[in-house]
Amino acid sequence: DTAVSQTPKYLVTQMGNDKSIKCEQNLGHDTMYWYKQDSKKFLKIMFSYNNKELIINETVPNRFSPKSPDKAHLNLHINSLELGDSAVYFCASSPRTDHGYTFGSGTRLTVV
Amino acid sequence: GDSVTQMEGPVTLSEEAFLTINCTYTATGYPSLFWYVQYPGEGLQLLLKATKADDKGSNKGFEATYRKETTSFHLEKGSVQVSDSAVYFCALTRYGNKLVFGAGTILRVKS
Repeated sequence: DTAVSQTPKYLVTQMGNDKSIKCEQNLGHDTMYWYKQDSKKFLKIMFSYNNKELIINETVPNRFSPKSPDKAHLNLHINSLELGDSAVYFCASSPRTDHGYTFGSGTRLTVV
Repeated sequence: GDSVTQMEGPVTLSEEAFLTINCTYTATGYPSLFWYVQYPGEGLQLLLKATKADDKGSNKGFEATYRKETTSFHLEKGSVQVSDSAVYFCALTRYGNKLVFGAGTILRVKS
């Protein structure tokens, strides 16, 4: 199946821990993104990579670090997790942004 | 900066009612406009798009027309079904830059 897949789907962890979310796309797209969706469903971009190069880095705490080993993968590592990091994180990819994005199904992160 | 404003929800309709969800945008130049839908527990899916003024995007009975004079891209459907219950997001992008989303509108359709 061609898609954007992210793992894990659910992640429950304690404050202060470090965790990673993985994303892979097999659509051949050059650009990948991480978005955060808060409890009110508001979506905000965090990062964007084009062919392994960081092109968008919004105002996100340094504790969040994206990593793109190749253009099909974009992982998100989060250090020292805080309660406010609880949200749904979506990975997406696009060939060009005016074609729209293909989204993964999301990772629901709960920090306790 | 670029922004998208959507009507606040939730919007509650009976099956077969007419749907309009308003969306207006602020952006310089000529953005591309999109509607995405998010069903419960799922990711976002592209519903329709329009890339230039007066274009009409359509899919699954939904339509939206890019109106540059009113900077709007309202979503419409003639007859909604219970299965259309979801969150609808209007979005724009400009010059290959990031996708900027509106706050989302929850639609609930009752049988």
